[in-house]
Amino acid sequence: QQQVKQSPQSLIVQKGGISIINCAYENTAFDYFPWYQQFPGKGPALLIAIRPDVSEKKEGRFTISFNKSAKQFSLHIMDSQPGDSATYFCAASSGTNAGKSTFGDGTTLTVKP
Amino acid sequence: NAGVMQNPRHLVRRRGQEARLRCSPMKGHSHVYWYRQLPEEGLKFMVYLQKENIIDESGMPKERFSAEFPKEGPSILRIQQVVRGDSAAYFCASSRTGGLNTGELFFGEGSRLTVL
Repeated sequence: QQQVKQSPQSLIVQKGGISIINCAYENTAFDYFPWYQQFPGKGPALLIAIRPDVSEKKEGRFTISFNKSAKQFSLHIMDSQPGDSATYFCAASSGTNAGKSTFGDGTTLTVKP
Repeated sequence: NAGVMQNPRHLVRRRGQEARLRCSPMKGHSHVYWYRQLPEEGLKFMVYLQKENIIDESGMPKERFSAEFPKEGPSILRIQQVVRGDSAAYFCASSRTGGLNTGELFFGEGSRLTVL
């Protein structure tokens, strides 16, 4: 199976709160796990990515947590801001064809002021 | 603008017509990917091309869809005899090094096809 399952489908968070989005995968050959941010009418843009040799990666307010044994990874957005309101996609790919990514179905995040 | 350029941004076709979507990758990128996004869904891989070669077309429907990336000019995704189910956003992405890389993709803003 090449699926990547993402939850929740939608998320509402107050400004300053923590947004958490989860993804689970099945294919153990996956070795690159990016998160993309997409605004309405725009293309996805890479936000942050992780490889399975580390359990956590942080860039500013965005953190990926990775659990290899559980085949799960999550995105945490600290101090969420209204400007973070967008759709977030997790994805996974394997090194031999790293550009061929399997995407989750997306999470629509709304940050209320 | 050095980003991935897609055109047209919006395209309306009647059933049975042909749709041609064009993509120019980022400067210095020779690997192009096409993805399709249906409403309320994630992106689904369609095809991976390098200049003059189709590397992986495992996500392409077997009929009516074709893609090319000629030596000169943009990559083209062609949909013949469109049906309503082809209505979607089609995204092109490019990368610098293809398979042996970080997997980082740079996406264009998409071409939104509506079939009447």
